[in-house]
Amino acid sequence: SQTIHQWPATLVQPVGSPLSLECTVEGTSNPNLYWYRQAAGRGLQLLFYSVGIGQISSEVPQNLSASRPQDRQFILSSKKLLLSDSGFYLCAWSTTSGRFINEQFFGPGTRLTVL
Amino acid sequence: AQSVTQLGSHVSVSEGALVLLRCNYSSSVPPYLFWYVQYPNQGLQLLLKYTTGATLVKGINGFEAEFKKSETSFHLTKPSAHMSDAAEYFCAVSDWRRGGADGLTFGKGTHLIIQP
Repeated sequence: SQTIHQWPATLVQPVGSPLSLECTVEGTSNPNLYWYRQAAGRGLQLLFYSVGIGQISSEVPQNLSASRPQDRQFILSSKKLLLSDSGFYLCAWSTTSGRFINEQFFGPGTRLTVL
Repeated sequence: AQSVTQLGSHVSVSEGALVLLRCNYSSSVPPYLFWYVQYPNQGLQLLLKYTTGATLVKGINGFEAEFKKSETSFHLTKPSAHMSDAAEYFCAVSDWRRGGADGLTFGKGTHLIIQP
């Protein structure tokens, strides 16, 4: 069966510090991978998605970046965190079915607090 | 562009009462539709999905949803609420966009409160 891992589970970082969040998927190959951010009391905002190694698409401009160094590894980074980067970060994976995206499977999330 | 509207950011029902969470979507093509549940500080868990075929779909934990194309709706229901159903619920839609593996489009969520 497939599983998805995220770490760390929680993180408290000062403004201006770097960030690295990691997501790995097991039990599937060539998945589509996604990073979402969920601010307090708000819905999900898609940040990045990837259809393959080294292929990253950004949904919104920001000081975050993503990389996919391996097929089942997705990393979210920042060189300098802002207060507004605080939130709950979710990684997800999916497959495609013809022209459609199938359901996404989510990791447990990382709670990031920037002080 | 596709969009999802969830009516009511908070819904409160009594334990044992009917749960009805509303979701309307807009899409240029017949979409795939999903309901997810999120418990505090956890990821999202798939409750149920509609792709093609039967318009009434059953999911986990006694939930079901009906796809109504004429109303562009996909409301989530459960006949009898349990205290354990208290959570955030998200409706999501998938259709073909820009030829790529875009993410699902999510509604803003409905917080379900169960009164004892």
